Order: sequence, then structure tokens, then C-alpha cells
Amino acid sequence: GNSVTQMEGPVTLSEEAFLTINCTYTATGYPSLFWYVQYPGEGLQLLLKATKADDKGSNKGFEATYRKETTSFHLEKGSVQVSDSAVYFCALSDRETSYGKLTFGQGTILTVHP
Amino acid sequence: DGGITQSPKYLFRKEGQNVTLSCEQNLNHDAMYWYRQDPGQGLRLIYYSQIVNDFQKGDIAEGYSVSREKKESFPLTVTSAQKNPTAFYLCASSTTSSPSYEQYFGPGTRLTVT
Repeated sequence: GNSVTQMEGPVTLSEEAFLTINCTYTATGYPSLFWYVQYPGEGLQLLLKATKADDKGSNKGFEATYRKETTSFHLEKGSVQVSDSAVYFCALSDRETSYGKLTFGQGTILTVHP
Repeated sequence: DGGITQSPKYLFRKEGQNVTLSCEQNLNHDAMYWYRQDPGQGLRLIYYSQIVNDFQKGDIAEGYSVSREKKESFPLTVTSAQKNPTAFYLCASSTTSSPSYEQYFGPGTRLTVT
């Protein structure tokens, strides 16, 4: 079956530090990959996506590249801000085997200090 | 503005009572989903529906029921058979024509059962 594994958190950084949150996946088909962000007490917001190998998704300074050879989709940001403090979820949607359903990682809590 | 609304934001019930959570979308999406989120965990799929008058069980459907009588609405009933109903419930929707099937989420309902 499909699965997503995220690096264990929580992650604590100082403002302007470089961020990497690792995400690897297992899928039997050809998945699309997503990063979602959840601020305290809110629903999830789509941060970025990639639909095929070597695609790079980007938004608000965050980037992730779909690496089929390493089955990874690591999230990066060059300079984090306090406002980036949130929970980040990696997810996949496998059109071939699980029509529209999302499989989520367990989430990584990011805290950014001034 | 297009989006997904969930009401109420907070809901309190006594053990043994059924409770219905509302989810409405005006994005003209065919597919809708219900997830449960527990502290420190990822999201788990309860039910999903790809078309009006049709729905399928997700990974943790026991103790829950849904209906899909209108495209815009996908209410979730938490029955007294659900052993641990206290959780954060998230509704989502997606188009079925996009190749990536990204889902858009509502703000969530926090249910507390005592």
C-alpha cells in the first residue's frame, strides 16, 4: 500500500535559518506529491505540489523537488520567519490505485524563534 | 469567495449522543472527504464521496456515517458507537478532473465528548 514518512520533529530554528523537512514515500502507482501547512487551530492549506518526477513545486519561498529515484519530496526554505511556525504535512495522491485519496505523513512541528 | 465551511468550530456532547458535523463547499467539486486528526498524528480518512448519492468507507469508518444528497454538502454523523470520538474533524473537497487531485480543506470542527 501507499505510505508517507516524515522526519521526526519537532524542529526548532532561529529566524533566517535554513529549513529542511525530509519526506519519503512508498507508492505502487505514479503519485502526485503535496506539502500542506496547518497553523494552530486551523485546517490544512496546500503549500505546494508536484505531479511527476523532477517537478519542483514552490510557493512563499518554500520548495520541494519530486525525486523518483530516491522516492523523496523534501521541503526546503532558505530563510525561515517566525510566521512559518506551523505543522507541515507531506502527502501523496495515487491516481492509479487510490482515486483521489490522500495518504499523509505524521506531520512535523516547526517552531521559529526571533 | 469560494471555499469550504464547517460548522460549528467547537462542539460539545455527552457520551451516548449522536452528533452531526456540517460541511459545505461552493467550489463545484465532485469529491468530498472527512478526516479525523488526533494530537501528534497525521490525518486519517473516515469517509469519502466522489459523486452525489455515493460514498465509500475510508480507513476508520466504524462508528461514523455520512450522506451525500447534494453536491455541495457532505455531513458527518458521529454515532454513540464511536469509542473515542473526541478529535479534530476536517472536511475536504477536490475536483476529479485535475491530474493531481489536490484537496482543499475546511477550518475544522473540534468535537469534545464527555
